[in-house]
Amino acid sequence: ELKVEQNPLFLSMQEGKNYTIYCNYSTTSDRLYWYRQDPGKSLESLFVLLSNGAVKQEGRLMASLDTKARLSTLHITAAVHDLSATYFCAVQETSGSRLTFGEGTQLTVNP
Amino acid sequence: DAGVIQSPRHEVTEMGQEVTLRCKPISGHDYLFWYRQTMMRGLELLIYFNNNVPIDDSGMPEDRFSAKMPNASFSTLKIQPSEPRDSAVYFCASSLDSHNEQFFGPGTRLTVL
Repeated sequence: ELKVEQNPLFLSMQEGKNYTIYCNYSTTSDRLYWYRQDPGKSLESLFVLLSNGAVKQEGRLMASLDTKARLSTLHITAAVHDLSATYFCAVQETSGSRLTFGEGTQLTVNP
Repeated sequence: DAGVIQSPRHEVTEMGQEVTLRCKPISGHDYLFWYRQTMMRGLELLIYFNNNVPIDDSGMPEDRFSAKMPNASFSTLKIQPSEPRDSAVYFCASSLDSHNEQFFGPGTRLTVL
């Protein structure tokens, strides 16, 4: 059974600071997705990482994938309050379409 | 494009009643997924369809849950009879093919009293 673990689960940081969220998974996969969820809202797709070494950047967020280490990171640069949300990574098994989600990282950016 | 559409957005019902949740995927998407989100269990895949055919229903909790996709633009998730532990947010998502990102609907917040 594929297991996906995120850490930290809760992250409180100040505006302007940098931080990294980690996503570890237990079996072979080369497809990983990052989603954002605001309170009471749906999930919004942020990044799709499709191969080892993939790096994607959008604004203050950068995601990377290391399939050998079974690790993805979501790096936040110079955080701003608008980034406050819960961030999920989701791993797709090599065969099939099933996505397994991590527990989510609840990020709070304080002024 | 309107995105994935779900109805109702909120449902409050009493234990024992039948509940039907509805979903319209993005046009042209061949895959449709039903998820449940709770504080205790996080996001769980319940079932998914490819070209209207159920492919993997291993996440469906028990026989009280059933899902159908009679055509490419409509799916239902039914709970009969409902129980308080079914209270959750139910999301529908669709994707173009098996290895594309999934786009989520706004969700249905179900409360079973």
